[in-house]
This record gives sequence, structure tokens and C-alpha cells, in this order.
Amino acid sequence: SAVISQKPSRDICQRGTSLTIQCQVDSQVTMMFWYRQQPGQSLTLIATANQGSEATYESGFVIDKFPISRPNLTFSTLTVSNMSPEDSSIYLCSVTYLDGAFFGQGTRLTVV
Amino acid sequence: KQEVTQIPAALSVPEGENLVLNCSFTDSAIYNLQWFRQDPGKGLTSLLLIQSSQREQTSGRLNASLDKSSGRSTLYIAASQPGDSATYLCAVEGNTPLVFGKGTRLSVIA
Repeated sequence: SAVISQKPSRDICQRGTSLTIQCQVDSQVTMMFWYRQQPGQSLTLIATANQGSEATYESGFVIDKFPISRPNLTFSTLTVSNMSPEDSSIYLCSVTYLDGAFFGQGTRLTVV
Repeated sequence: KQEVTQIPAALSVPEGENLVLNCSFTDSAIYNLQWFRQDPGKGLTSLLLIQSSQREQTSGRLNASLDKSSGRSTLYIAASQPGDSATYLCAVEGNTPLVFGKGTRLSVIA
């Protein structure tokens, strides 16, 4: 299992601004995953972050909108850029071990 | 493309009842299936992981089964309690990262 610390836990942001979400894991992992959960919906994978290389984005998500950093094997950030109300969601980071996938507590973002 | 469906979408039961949540998936070539619990506005808590070679897993009052060939899994909750009220998500991992169902929202009434 893993202990994943994610912050901020929630934020209210003005449209047109950017928010950076941090994710810290208590042990080294090769891949970290970023998900979005829109209101009333399930989780959708945004991108996979590998240390030392560019993130791999899923269809419908682009680096300019969701830049990701992965400076070491225990830390990653996701930035939501030029926000609009449609970006209001819960954003979650995740890691996978042999005993399954584990998630941070999520960042609840509201864009006004 | 893997698709995961959960039935029912919502369920309300009186305290003490045993209940079953269902999950189906379209591509049986999976590595594992995992059940999660999500409280409102929060992250996901892992409940049970079933590897593709396994038939079931148990943890306390929870029992999850997997029938890989038919693309189905069930989560059985025994003697439900109000604290079990949450959304339950199943997710499968195959050649792609986790694919989630939309969840079952469970309410256990005292």
C-alpha cells in the first residue's frame, strides 16, 4: 500500500487563472497517474507521469492545458491552466503497486 | 475498448441487510479488478483487489468475486451499517491503465 498526500484539498479559483496540485508519495514509484472526476461522473485518466520523461496524455487532454512535472520518484504536480467553469472537478493522483492502485484524497476545484 | 458497467446506479437499504453490487466489463483480458469506496468529495479507498487468476477475495464483511470469462464481478456486503453509505466503484486493469465504472451510490438507513 501507499500513503499519498495531495494538496490543496480544495480551492475556489477565478476563471483564466491556473492552479498547481501537488502529489507526494511515501515511497518511490515509476509511474504516477492523474485523474479527473467531473461532477456525478466516474474517473477519467488525464495522463501518466514518468520520472525523467514527458508525461503521456490520454485522448482529449493536452499538455498546454494540463502540464505535469515529475522531478523525482516520489513527487508530481498537475497544473490546470487558463481555467474555465468546465474545469470544476475533483482531481486525483494515483500510484500502483502489486496490491493494487492507491489514491490521494483528491483536490476539489471550483472555478467561478 | 474496455467498458465497465455497474448496476444498480443507486441503492438504499435498511441497516442489517446483506447486499450485492454488480460490475461487468467488456474485455475479459484483464490483469486484475479492484473495488473502491468513495465518500462524497473525497478520494478513493481501496477495498479489495482480485487478480485475474483468483475467484474471490474477502475482507471483513466484504467479499468480492470475479468471473473473468463472463466479464463479471460482485461485491457482497454483509450486515450493512450506516457507515457503509458511500459510492462503490469497480475498476479493471488490462493492457491499458485502470478503467472505472460509474459507481453504485449506497445508502444504508438506520
